[in-house]
Amino acid sequence: DIQMTQSPSTLSPSVGDRVTITCRASQNIDDWLAWYQQKPGKAPNLLIYRASLLGSGVPSRFSGSGYGTYFTFTISSLQPDDFATYYCQQYSTYSTFGGGTKVDIK
Amino acid sequence: QVHLVQSGAEAKNYGASVKISCKASGYTFTNYWMHWVRQAPGQGLEWMGVINPSDGAATYAQKFHGRLTITRDTSTSTLYMEMSFLMSEDTAVYYCARIPGLITDVGPQGAFHTWGQGTMVIVS
Repeated sequence: DIQMTQSPSTLSPSVGDRVTITCRASQNIDDWLAWYQQKPGKAPNLLIYRASLLGSGVPSRFSGSGYGTYFTFTISSLQPDDFATYYCQQYSTYSTFGGGTKVDIK
Repeated sequence: QVHLVQSGAEAKNYGASVKISCKASGYTFTNYWMHWVRQAPGQGLEWMGVINPSDGAATYAQKFHGRLTITRDTSTSTLYMEMSFLMSEDTAVYYCARIPGLITDVGPQGAFHTWGQGTMVIVS
């Protein structure tokens, strides 16, 4: 099975900060990677797919990059609505999620 | 617009079975792969399995082999997830999810563009 290691597990930035989350795959997954945002009591919401493509209606302050085994997710300027938990997902072989990154209010 | 609406919360005893549903609307149900993902309280997301609604063929995560059955009813555009021999570790919110791309064009794995609202299953 492909393992996804996501870091950090928590972040406490301020509004306006640049936020970066990383995800490492245990083996090559090309660009078969997605990023989701999840708020308490809600289903996850797709932000990025194919490592760098923006989901429908997703603001441009969200971006993703990477290929192979190393990926990054960035929020260019954190907004109040962005405090949530973020997950990466590989879908190269079946599907595996990272452990999540909780972005908390500082 | 694509919608996935799941059945309500369930409370089950240890060792029992549960079957939850996910009704699809806004698209041709048999044209898109459908998945189940679960999330234990305070934990991350866990992929469970996928079904081809056109022919009913399903693939399961190794962890759930023998306990999980994914089926569908094409006449009502409804997806089902049945889990047997429930344990306390199965307490979770269960989500159905759909990937984009026609079954004839893409493989079963993909990013989940559409999710159901989730169904809470409590095992005690």
